[in-house]
Amino acid sequence: AQSVSQHNHHVILSEAASLELGCNYSYGGTVNLFWYVQYPGQHLQLLLKYFSGDPLVKGIKGFEAEFIKSKFSFNLRKPSVQWSDTAEYFCAVNVDLFSGGYNKLIFGAGTRLAVHP
Amino acid sequence: DTGVSQDPRHKITKRGQNVTFRCDPISEHNRLYWYRQTLGQGPEFLTYFQNEAQLEKSRLLSDRFSAERPKGSFSTLEIQRTEQGDSAMYLCASTPSSGEQFFGPGTRLTVL
Repeated sequence: AQSVSQHNHHVILSEAASLELGCNYSYGGTVNLFWYVQYPGQHLQLLLKYFSGDPLVKGIKGFEAEFIKSKFSFNLRKPSVQWSDTAEYFCAVNVDLFSGGYNKLIFGAGTRLAVHP
Repeated sequence: DTGVSQDPRHKITKRGQNVTFRCDPISEHNRLYWYRQTLGQGPEFLTYFQNEAQLEKSRLLSDRFSAERPKGSFSTLEIQRTEQGDSAMYLCASTPSSGEQFFGPGTRLTVL
C-alpha cells in the first residue's frame, strides 16, 4: 500500500533559521506530490506541488521543495523562517490509480513547526 | 467566498445518535473527496465522487457511514449510530481534473 512518511513530528526553530522537513513516499509509479500547510485555526492550504518537469519547485511564502525520484523524497525547505511560518505541514502524494486520472491524496502524519521570535 | 464550504463547523452529539454533514465544493469542480483527520495524524481518505458517482470508498468507511452527491454539486456525509471513535475532523475537498485539491474548513465532530 502507498504511504507517506514525515520524519520530524515537531520542529522548533528561531526566526531566520533554515528549515528542511523530510518527506518520503512509497510508490513506484507516477505520482503528484504536494505540501499543504495548516495555520492555527485555519484550513489546509496548498504550499506547493510537483507534477512533472523541473524537480525543484517553488511555492508561496519563499518555500521550495525538491523531488528526488531515486530517493522517493520530496523535502520542503525555506532558507529563513519567520514567526508567521508557525503551522503544521503535511506532505501528500496523489497516485495514478486509474487510467482516467489521479485520485485520493495520501498524507503524512504532519510536522508541527514552532518558530520563536 | 468561492472556496469549499462545510456545515456545520462543529457538532457535538451523544453516542448512538445520527449526524449529517454537508459540503459545498467549488462550483466548477467535478471531483469531491471526504477525508477524516484525528489528532496528531494527517487526513485519511474516506470516499470520492466524480460528479454524482461515488467511485471509491475506503475501508475506513464502515456500514454506518454513507455519502451522497445526488446532483453532482453538494455532498452529504452521514454517520449513523455514532461511536466515540468517530470523533474527528471531517474534511471535504474538491478539484477539477488537475489533481490539486482545495480543502474546506472541516466539521469537527465530538461524540460524547
